[in-house]
Amino acid sequence: DAGVIQSPRHEVTEMGQEVTLRCKPISGHDYLFWYRQTMMRGLELLIYFNNNVPIDDSGMPEDRFSAKMPNASFSTLKIQPSEPRDSAVYFCASSLGGAPTGYTFGSGTRLTVV
Amino acid sequence: GQQLNQSPQSMFIQEGEDVSMNCTSSSIFNTWLWYKQDPGEGPVLLIALYKAGELTSNGRLTAQFGITRKDSFLNISASIPSDVGIYFCAGQGYGGSQGNLIFGKGTKLSVKP
Repeated sequence: DAGVIQSPRHEVTEMGQEVTLRCKPISGHDYLFWYRQTMMRGLELLIYFNNNVPIDDSGMPEDRFSAKMPNASFSTLKIQPSEPRDSAVYFCASSLGGAPTGYTFGSGTRLTVV
Repeated sequence: GQQLNQSPQSMFIQEGEDVSMNCTSSSIFNTWLWYKQDPGEGPVLLIALYKAGELTSNGRLTAQFGITRKDSFLNISASIPSDVGIYFCAGQGYGGSQGNLIFGKGTKLSVKP
């Protein structure tokens, strides 16, 4: 199993530009999570999906952030327009059965907005 | 909302020493998990705990689910240089949604050869 695959690994963009982060979960997993990690705030849950349906998006910072999961094997997190304070490492994770089984994380996308 | 307090924030130890870190919560959790994050990578699950009082080992790692359901600890025995990284506790609280884990802020471990 290739694990959770995220792309790109690194992204540098200018303030105001649109950024799209991509995630391919482990095949067969029914939960997908997007997290943001910063030194100040640690790991923050942004949104999660169950069977491709968004369940909880209360962690999405503001309307500039949006996430989609068009099918069981693909999800995107979009920031438009991006701002310097969005700079962080964004992780995608997937699991079978949700929290009790633990998550498998991808390697993350390090986003820098200048 | 529910929060986890993880301590210590960082540790600097000598190779061969034992390490202990813990997490506490003001509310009850029904699942505790411990993760390790290597530089440039995502967290990896080390140990999962599902019952109060449960003590589980994974090689040199031992973790326990506190009797009160409000705390958990992780011990690493005879540390080696590859133990370096950030260790996170995570928990699922009662009444929380099935999917949602809450993470501690992490304990950064440095091991001196």
